[in-house]
Amino acid sequence: GDSVTQMEGPVTLSEEAFLTINCTYTATGYPSLFWYVQYPGEGLQLLLKATKADDKGSNKGFEATYRKETTSFHLEKGSVQVSDSAVYFCASVGGTASKLTFGTGTRLQVTL
Amino acid sequence: NAGVTQTPKFRILKIGQSMTLQCAQDMNHNYMYWYRQDPGMGLKLIYYSVGAGITDKGEVPNGYNVSRSTTEDFPLRLELAAPSQTSVYFCASSFPGLAYNEQFFGPGTRLTVL
Repeated sequence: GDSVTQMEGPVTLSEEAFLTINCTYTATGYPSLFWYVQYPGEGLQLLLKATKADDKGSNKGFEATYRKETTSFHLEKGSVQVSDSAVYFCASVGGTASKLTFGTGTRLQVTL
Repeated sequence: NAGVTQTPKFRILKIGQSMTLQCAQDMNHNYMYWYRQDPGMGLKLIYYSVGAGITDKGEVPNGYNVSRSTTEDFPLRLELAAPSQTSVYFCASSFPGLAYNEQFFGPGTRLTVL
């Protein structure tokens, strides 16, 4: 079946540091890929998405590029802020009813 | 639009008790989902529905039941609660044909079984 693997956390960075959170997937075909963010005490919000190879999703300074050759969708941000502290989930969609397969989540803590 | 709403926000159950987690959406979405989130484990799909009267099992359905009598509501029933069901439960909805198959999530219900 489909699976999503993302780097273990927690990740602790100083404000303005560069962020990379790795994500790889296995799936039949070419699924759409997503990054969701979960702020403390809240539900998941869609951060960005991509549907085909070489697509780049971007939002709020975050970017991720759909790499078919490496089956990856790594999340990056050039300069993180304290307000980016959250848990980030990589996910793929596939099968009937657009079911999502999630990675285990990576907690990001940004300090001053 | 309220989006996806869930009640209650928090609940403590004793072993063997039953309860229903409520989920409603006002976006006229056909697809609805229930997930559970365990610490460090990501989200696992419990049940899903593609429309009123149609439900199907996800990855971890044991110990749960669902019904979908209307497009708006998708309650999740726990019978004979067990400590292993301590988790945060999220409901989500989607509409076929939405760009990128985006799912919209509710704020979650934190359930503790003691």
